[in-house]
Amino acid sequence: TQLLEQSPQFLSIQEGENLTVYCNSSSVFSSLQWYRQEPGEGPVLLVTVVTGGEVKKLKRLTFQFGDARKDSSLHITAAQPGDTGLYLCAGEDNYGQNFVFGPGTRLSVLP
Amino acid sequence: DTEVTQTPKHLVMGMTNKKSLKCEQHMGHRAMYWYKQKAKKPPELMFVYSYEKLSINESVPSRFSPECPNSSLLNLHLHALQPEDSALYLCASSQDWRGATEAFFGQGTRLTVV
Repeated sequence: TQLLEQSPQFLSIQEGENLTVYCNSSSVFSSLQWYRQEPGEGPVLLVTVVTGGEVKKLKRLTFQFGDARKDSSLHITAAQPGDTGLYLCAGEDNYGQNFVFGPGTRLSVLP
Repeated sequence: DTEVTQTPKHLVMGMTNKKSLKCEQHMGHRAMYWYKQKAKKPPELMFVYSYEKLSINESVPSRFSPECPNSSLLNLHLHALQPEDSALYLCASSQDWRGATEAFFGQGTRLTVV
């Protein structure tokens, strides 16, 4: 079973601050995805990273996939209250057999 | 259209009831999924359908019975549930269930078993 760990588990910051959350595994993943979920709603796909070392930007969000494809990070610049939510990473193992979610980082951006 | 539609949004049912959750997508995706999510936990995979055939059953109790009538629809039939089955049930779909596929989720059905 492929396991994904996320850190920090909880993060509370002020509006305008920058932050980085991490997704790590001891296993290699063929791809990793980041989702944002609000309470009572389904996860919304933010990005998929596939190539080791890949960096993708989505407005104020920057996603990076580690060179070894075992880890990923999400950096948010100038966080806004609308960024509040549960950030989940999810990945498919290198054999295309398993798709697993990390436990999530619960982000709260205070105005 | 990247929408996965789930109905109903909320459901309260007794332990002797029979009910069904429905999921629909029109993206031409050939893989569809049911997930269960308890409060403050990530989604847990229950079932995977690929090309309308059940590909993965993650040891889910038989009181949950999935059905895929066609490539756009996925149902989850519920019977004799327990209060601990109360959760958010999420449906998702993707182009395929292998490869670097992206899964799109519905808004979920909030199920309460009384």
